[in-house]
Amino acid sequence: DAMVIQNPRYQVTQFGKPVTLSCSQTLNHNVMYWYQQKSSQAPKLLFHYYDKDFNNEADTPDNFQSRRPNTSFCFLDIRSPGLGDAAMYLCATSRERHVNEKLFFGSGTQLSVL
Amino acid sequence: DQQVKQNSPSLSVQEGRISILNCDYTNSMFDYFLWYKKYPAEGPTFLISISSIKDKNEDGRFTVFLNKSAKHLSLHIVPSQPGDSAVYFCAASDDTGKLIFGQGTTLQVKP
Repeated sequence: DAMVIQNPRYQVTQFGKPVTLSCSQTLNHNVMYWYQQKSSQAPKLLFHYYDKDFNNEADTPDNFQSRRPNTSFCFLDIRSPGLGDAAMYLCATSRERHVNEKLFFGSGTQLSVL
Repeated sequence: DQQVKQNSPSLSVQEGRISILNCDYTNSMFDYFLWYKKYPAEGPTFLISISSIKDKNEDGRFTVFLNKSAKHLSLHIVPSQPGDSAVYFCAASDDTGKLIFGQGTTLQVKP
């Protein structure tokens, strides 16, 4: 049973064309995260939601936005994708925002920018 | 400035032998350390963790060792099995619960 579901698995977009990636969870977790992972690099945290409270990382470009309309869903919007935004985007959840919480990941969306 | 580093991009071991994956960190405020395993086309899955108050945690074939003075942790897999072939990510958590990941080490276990 999938617990963190990301759609689509593969997304191709054109340079500058807005794109939205989606994530849903059946765990009823309070926290949802978006990570960006480029090839052979560490997953990099873009932002997270603690309930409805949005927390942006200081170095996340303004081109990246997120929405969490309810507990189950979270979206990543890339307003004007550049070639450098091609990456794997990983959604993750955790029950709470504590030091010893485990994250549960989705399978990711591989984004290509043409 | 990478706070969590896995300096070996890949590791190859023979089935039945020990696999040792290493991880170094720079931030002394990290309180909790985790290892995640990732198969191709899947998201990372939690493997094992250790709190900063411990120096060892064991779960079946997997043992994580923490050396706080050296800011170093390692994951030991004994005995290694072909199904262990995957990318292993080390991650560290500060008191906000935010995870910082290393670049990953690709482990290949040969039959």
